[in-house]
Amino acid sequence: DIQMTQSPSSLSASVGDRVTITCRASQTIGNYLNWYQQKPGKAPKLLIYAASRLQSGVPSRFSGSGSGTDFTLTISSLQPEDFATYYCQQSYSTLRTFGQGTKVEIK
Amino acid sequence: EVQLLESGGGLVQPGGSLRLSCAASGFSFTNYAMSWVRQAQGKGLDWVSGISGSGTSTYYADSVEGRFTISRDNSKNTLYLQMDSLRAEDTALYYCAKILSGSFEGGGAFDYWGQGTLVTVSP
Repeated sequence: DIQMTQSPSSLSASVGDRVTITCRASQTIGNYLNWYQQKPGKAPKLLIYAASRLQSGVPSRFSGSGSGTDFTLTISSLQPEDFATYYCQQSYSTLRTFGQGTKVEIK
Repeated sequence: EVQLLESGGGLVQPGGSLRLSCAASGFSFTNYAMSWVRQAQGKGLDWVSGISGSGTSTYYADSVEGRFTISRDNSKNTLYLQMDSLRAEDTALYYCAKILSGSFEGGGAFDYWGQGTLVTVSP
């Protein structure tokens, strides 16, 4: 199975900060990388697919980059509603795997 | 509007069985692959299984292979997960999810999720 490793596991940031979360795959996955946001008690929400494509309705402050094994999710200016847990997921393999999550907390 | 509504969760003893359902609406169900994802309390997302739109191709995580069976009834717009030989570690909230691109093999992301159904495996 392809292992996905996110860093950091958690971070504290302030409203307006630029936030970057990284995700590394254990083998090359091309651009088959997706990012999800999950708030407490809610289902995950797709933010970015195919490494850099913004899902419909997602604010443009979210962006994704990378290919191969190393990927990044960036929030350009953190908003109060962005405090949540973020997960990467590879869709290169039919055995999908998620990263362990990154919790973004209020500083 | 796309809607996914899971049901069938509950309390079951170790070694027991349970069948989850996911009723879909708002899209052409037969044209889209679907998947199950679970989340234990306070833990991360754990992919469980996937199925093609036609139902002819199925995929499983190593942890459930041989114990769980995914299926779908396209005439009823419903996805299923038959869970047998349940273990304590299968305790989780189970979500069904729709594949963005339609094809599971094509690398699609999960663009719509239900709210989940809770499975508890305990004596």
